[in-house]
Amino acid sequence: GENVEQHPSTLSVQEGDSAVIKCTYSDSASNYFPWYKQELGKRPQLIIDIRSNVGEKKDQRIAVTLNKTAKHFSLHITETQPEDSAVYFCAASSSGGTYKYIFGTGTRLKVLA
Amino acid sequence: GAVVSQHPSRVICKSGTSVKIECRSLDFQATTMFWYRQFPKKSLMLMATSNEGSKATYEQGVEKDKFLINHASLTLSTLTVTSAHPEDSSFYICSARVGQGVNSPLHFGNGTRLTVT
Repeated sequence: GENVEQHPSTLSVQEGDSAVIKCTYSDSASNYFPWYKQELGKRPQLIIDIRSNVGEKKDQRIAVTLNKTAKHFSLHITETQPEDSAVYFCAASSSGGTYKYIFGTGTRLKVLA
Repeated sequence: GAVVSQHPSRVICKSGTSVKIECRSLDFQATTMFWYRQFPKKSLMLMATSNEGSKATYEQGVEKDKFLINHASLTLSTLTVTSAHPEDSSFYICSARVGQGVNSPLHFGNGTRLTVT
């Protein structure tokens, strides 16, 4: 089955700097890659996603890149703000009828003011 | 739109009792819902896929007799933790997909924190 690895597990950046989180996946049939942000004690919220037919997608300060050949995708947050502090999860949709998500291990991002 | 409601948000129960958690899609129909378990500061571990009108599909290592899933309607799935023990204490979170395609995003409920004493 699908396996998703995520790095780093923790990341601290100064406010205004950029943050990059990387994920790799194992199932070459996966073709949908969402990113979720989870604040303490709250539900994960979808922040951006990318489909396999594009290599990059941007939404204001957030961007995601995908390299299908290498089977890795990354989340880029520019001009970080304290409210970006949270745990970020990548996911890949596995092949099969139910298209279940397999999540990465998460990255705890701290933006230092 | 795409609101998933989960109830209760917190529950404390005694060892040996059973606890039922409800997951509802409020403004859409969900033929498939997913149940995840999250340990403190850990990732979301998929427990099972809940299918409306049929048996749930459990991930490897998840006891189906321990975690009973019922998906009786297009808007409601329930997870029952039977004969709960302290090691079942965790954050349980459901999710549902709007639409059926692989590119349809998952929307999560607000989670249930279960504490077994």
